Amino acid sequence: EVVLTQSPGTLSLSPGERATLFCRASQSVTSNKLAWYQQTPGQAPRLLIYDASTRATVIPDRFSGSGSGTDFTLTINRLEPEDFAAYYCQQYGSSPSTFGQGTKLEIK
Amino acid sequence: QVQLVESGGGLVQPGGSLRLSCATSGFTFTNYYMAWIRQAPGKGLEWVSHINTAGTATYYPDSLKGRFIISRDNVRDSVDLQMFSLSAEDTAVYFCARITNLPGYYLDYWGQGSQVTVSS
Repeated sequence: EVVLTQSPGTLSLSPGERATLFCRASQSVTSNKLAWYQQTPGQAPRLLIYDASTRATVIPDRFSGSGSGTDFTLTINRLEPEDFAAYYCQQYGSSPSTFGQGTKLEIK
Repeated sequence: QVQLVESGGGLVQPGGSLRLSCATSGFTFTNYYMAWIRQAPGKGLEWVSHINTAGTATYYPDSLKGRFIISRDNVRDSVDLQMFSLSAEDTAVYFCARITNLPGYYLDYWGQGSQVTVSS
């Protein structure tokens, strides 16, 4: 199975700054089938990005995804208070679909 | 709007069983595969199971085969997860999620989750 490793484990930034989160796969992700989710404490995950770079419905353009093969990035520009949360990547190019262990974005 | 509402969670003893249900609304249920995802305390997300639109094909990871059974009711627009021989390692929040009907198995809507605690 494809193992996804997210880094950093925790990222401390201030509102207004840019966040860059990484997701590395143990093997190439087929057709760049990679999604990103945001989860605030006690809430369900929310889809942000699919197919590595396509924003989901009503996701603001501050969020962008990029990458291909084994290395993927989620960038959040101009951090808002509500952006401080946990973020997970998921690959769905190979079965079984797998998730990364998550990155916690916290307020500095 | 799309809504997914889980129920049936709770405290169960080791070796026991539990059935989770997910009631859906706001979309044409029969057009979508459905999934269960779980999250152990302080941990990441784990794909537990999914089922096709007709309910005729299911998936489980090898680690859960034989203990979990997913099913769906296309009249009531609901999906269930039956869990048997539960152990402490099954303690988690269980999320019901809709699999996109675009190419790919990403999850475009999630429920709020149902807590399952396995403990004596």
